[in-house]
This record gives sequence, C-alpha cells and structure tokens, in this order.
Amino acid sequence: EVQLVESGGGLVQPGGSLRLSCAASGFTFSSYEMNWVRQAPGKGLEWVSFISSGGGTTYYADSVRGRFTISRDNAENSLYLQMNGLRDEDTAVYYCARGAPGAFDIWGQGTMVTVSS
Amino acid sequence: QPVLTQPTSLSASPGASARFTCTLRSGINVGTYRIYWYQQKPGSLPRYLLRYKSDSDNQQGSGVPSRFSGSKDASTNAGLLLISGLQSEDEADYYCAIWYSSTWVFGGGTKLTVL
Repeated sequence: EVQLVESGGGLVQPGGSLRLSCAASGFTFSSYEMNWVRQAPGKGLEWVSFISSGGGTTYYADSVRGRFTISRDNAENSLYLQMNGLRDEDTAVYYCARGAPGAFDIWGQGTMVTVSS
Repeated sequence: QPVLTQPTSLSASPGASARFTCTLRSGINVGTYRIYWYQQKPGSLPRYLLRYKSDSDNQQGSGVPSRFSGSKDASTNAGLLLISGLQSEDEADYYCAIWYSSTWVFGGGTKLTVL
C-alpha cells in the first residue's frame, strides 16, 4: 500500500523550532518529487516547499523561505522539514504530498503544528 | 491581487452540473498553464482530481469518475472544473493550483453545497 506518514508536530513557542518527518512506503521513494503543503485551521491549502527526487533542487513559498529547510533521505525513504523561527501564522496541519510529477497524488494524514506562547 | 481567484461558494442541485472557475491574475495567461484540481471533503485529505491544459494535455486522477472534467475559458482567463450528475457525496471544497514562478500556488478554494 502506498503510504505517507508524517510525525514531529506539536506545540512550540514563537521563535522556536520543529522538525517534521514523513515516512514513505509502498513505492520507490527516490523516483518522486516531494512537497510539504499546510492548511491552517478552517483555511485553504498553502504549498510550503518542494524537493526534487534526488534532493538537488528545492523551492520554497515566500512565507517560509529562509526559515524552513526541506530535505530527504532516499536510503531511509524519508522526507523532512526543518522549521526555525516559527510564527503564530505557521500554525497549521502540515501534509507531505508526493509529486507525480506536478500533481500531488498521494497525501499523508498530516501533523499538527501549533505555534503559541 | 492573488495569482488564482476562486469563488468562495457554489450551490447546485443533485443531478445538475457544477462549474467551478479558477481565474488567473491579469498578465498570467491561462493558455500557458496546466491547471490542477483537488477535492477535499470535510475532515478528509485532499484528493487529486485532474489536470487540464488543453484537450491534448490533460490527465484524470486515479479512480476519478469521468463526470469530473477540466476545461478553460480564454475569454475570462480561467481554468474550469466541471462536474456533471452531481451527487451529495460531491459536497466538498475544491481547489485549483498551478506551478507559477517556481512555486506551487493554490486558489482559495470553492465550497460546493449540493442541495
């Protein structure tokens, strides 16, 4: 079964850091682009970051560039998002999503990040 | 002005058709872009429905019924999602997206009510 499972979310104070993980299974992880997409409570979808299949190319939304870093470990079938300098407005469910390419065809169940003092 | 603009809500009756619009900002030509559409039912994950650029460049998501289709309206610079034979289970939020300037951009979403 093709599956993505996120972990690492939680409650953090403004200015703090978190590292999200996404474990992939059921497909050849190293062949696919991957993305992080977030959704604030009651709001729409917001793309956060992209990483190419080999990890050599990354892109970020303006709202997180310079604070977040996407990475992957193809040997471990894992995707990561290092989030520093967290702000209230980063509060959201964070999804990892497979790029097929382009379309986000497989989504994880999401992990909640709450930034609050 | 946002890159992609979607109406906040849309209502239609069971068995009818629904037409969702995704309007690209002035200066961004809809003819150039693949428009991707996603469905998100309450409490569920987003689901990839389809992408549409032209009649020769389009793709249906895995398991997505043919009553979901894409199109474009060049006169209004909009991508379109068309759903025919509406069912109560189609009630959901629908998002469009494009790859623009090395970023993915989502529209704000349209909430479909089937009543």
